[in-house]
Amino acid sequence: AQRVTQPEKLLSVFKGAPVELKCNYSYSGSPELFWYVQYSRQRLQLLLRHISRESIKGFTADLNKGETSFHLKKPFAQEEDSAMYYCALSGEVSNTGNQFYFGTGTSLTVIP
Amino acid sequence: DVKVTQSSRYLVKRTGEKVFLECVQDMDHENMFWYRQDPGLGLRLIYFSYDVKMKEKGDIPEGYSVSREKKERFSLILESASTNQTSMYLCASREGDSRLNIQYFGAGTRLSVL
Repeated sequence: AQRVTQPEKLLSVFKGAPVELKCNYSYSGSPELFWYVQYSRQRLQLLLRHISRESIKGFTADLNKGETSFHLKKPFAQEEDSAMYYCALSGEVSNTGNQFYFGTGTSLTVIP
Repeated sequence: DVKVTQSSRYLVKRTGEKVFLECVQDMDHENMFWYRQDPGLGLRLIYFSYDVKMKEKGDIPEGYSVSREKKERFSLILESASTNQTSMYLCASREGDSRLNIQYFGAGTRLSVL
């Protein structure tokens, strides 16, 4: 079975402090990992994907296959980073496409 | 920009009513999805469709059905709404090419079943 685990439902950090949102996964294959973000009153949108290997809004995430983790990190949190963050996994393609599996989400609050 | 439009932002229905949630995308995407979003449970897949008239059950299909008669439109149907179906419903679409593996979401429909 495929599963994405986000152990923290709520996370609060002070502005300027480092932030790390944890994500662990289990998948018997080669998954693609994503972070999606939902700001207040906005739709869910892609933040970053592991194959892009890029930094978006100062966030980075490295896929660690040994630890089956894809933690999201930012060295200096900003108030506008306050949002709900979802880690997601996409499995290998079949003849019916491939599903996404989302974690339960982490609500990040950056305290001024 | 990809646009995924859900016909209603808020919907209030009574127990036992038949409910239709509509979703339209304008990017000719092959794949479309319906999720429900609940606090503490994240997004759970109800159904997805990989082509016109094709559908697959997700993790929680019970009490729901779907219809995809045209490529751009994917409908979620609650045959007989129940209070435990009160939730936020999200529609998403995705290009069929697996290299473009990004889901685009609608704004959501908040359904209350009384």
